[in-house]
Parts: sequence; C-alpha cells; structure tokens
Amino acid sequence: GQQLNQSPQSMFIQEGEDVSMNCTSSSIFNTWLWYKQDPGEGPVLLIALYKAGELTSNGRLTAQFGITRKDSFLNISASIPSDVGIYFCAGVYNQGGKLIFGQGTELSVKP
Amino acid sequence: DVKVTQSSRYLVKRTGEKVFLECVQDMDHENMFWYRQDPGLGLRLIYFSYDVKMKEKGDIPEGYSVSREKKERFSLILESASTNQTSMYLCASSGGYPKETQYFGPGTRLLVL
Repeated sequence: GQQLNQSPQSMFIQEGEDVSMNCTSSSIFNTWLWYKQDPGEGPVLLIALYKAGELTSNGRLTAQFGITRKDSFLNISASIPSDVGIYFCAGVYNQGGKLIFGQGTELSVKP
Repeated sequence: DVKVTQSSRYLVKRTGEKVFLECVQDMDHENMFWYRQDPGLGLRLIYFSYDVKMKEKGDIPEGYSVSREKKERFSLILESASTNQTSMYLCASSGGYPKETQYFGPGTRLLVL
C-alpha cells in the first residue's frame, strides 16, 4: 500500500532551537496535513496545505506543500517546552478523503 | 470549533466480551473514521463511513464492525474482544470546508485482559 516516510523519527533539542521535519512519498497527494499528538490524547490539526508550493504559517509553525506534490515539511521556530509531543504528517490521496499517515516524529525539548 | 467526543477515555474488558466504542461529532460532518494506534505501527484505518448507514472497510477491519444509525454518531464494535485488540482507538470526522481535513477525538485506551 501507499506509504509516507517521515523523518526524523525523534529529535532531542534545546529550548529556543528551530526544528525541521519532513515527509516524502512515492505517490502524489492532493492535500497535506500536519498534526500534533500529546501523550494520551488524540491528534490535533496544526496546519493544512491544499496547493502545490503553498507555504502556510501558524504562529511559530511553518509548513510547505512540495512542488512535486510528493513531499511536505514542517518547521518550528524558537521551540518551547510545550512543543513536546509527536508530530504526524498525513496525505490525502483520493476524493474520499482517506488519509495516509507518516510514522511520526517524537520531539523532546530540554529547558 | 469542531468537537469530536468519545464515550470513554479508558476501558478495561475481558477476552470474549462485546465492546462498544462510541464517537459523536457536532459539526454535521458526512465522513467519520475509526483508527487504532499502536507503538511502531502508527495510525491504521479500521472502518469509515461517508453517510448514515454506510460503511466501508479500512486497512484492518478484521475483528471489528461499525454502526452509523445517525449522522453524528459512529460506533465501533468488537464482537469478541481479544488481547491483540488492546490499543488506543481514535475516532475522526471530516466534511466541513475543506472536506478532506479530519478532526480527531481524544481517544479511548482499551485494555483487553
């Protein structure tokens, strides 16, 4: 089946550092979504991208929909302790709206 | 704001029991989804529904069934729970604008003994 490759799997950073993670696929997607999941909670939508080349920000978060429609990245600037969690990318690959998820990037921030 | 609620945050059941997990969304979304999440395996789609009384199998439907009698409610049923169904279960809905964006509930952590 279709797969998304998300990297890195985990990151350990110092508070204040910038963070970058990305997802790639062999398939073309119509939509890219980025979610954050806190321990024991459901994923919360951070940013949604709907057009190739689109660059969208949400506070300290910036995400881009790759021109080839096969990749996306998420940047977090000036990380803070509450950024800790697992970040997932997800691609929508058909009209039915089914998502394919990346494996997640676990972010740890040291104060 | 979209609100997706799940009936229980934590559930402990015995092998062989019938288990019902309920999900309700308040945004009049057409589409609803059930996933399970396991360490190292990520989120996997169990079943989804595009309309009332409609259901479609996802990637791992074995051992599960679903029911969608009302638009706002989507139930996941474990007919005879087994230990390998111990997992975090997540419900999601979509159908607003843009249609593809899925919103998740808080999850139900199920332990089958």
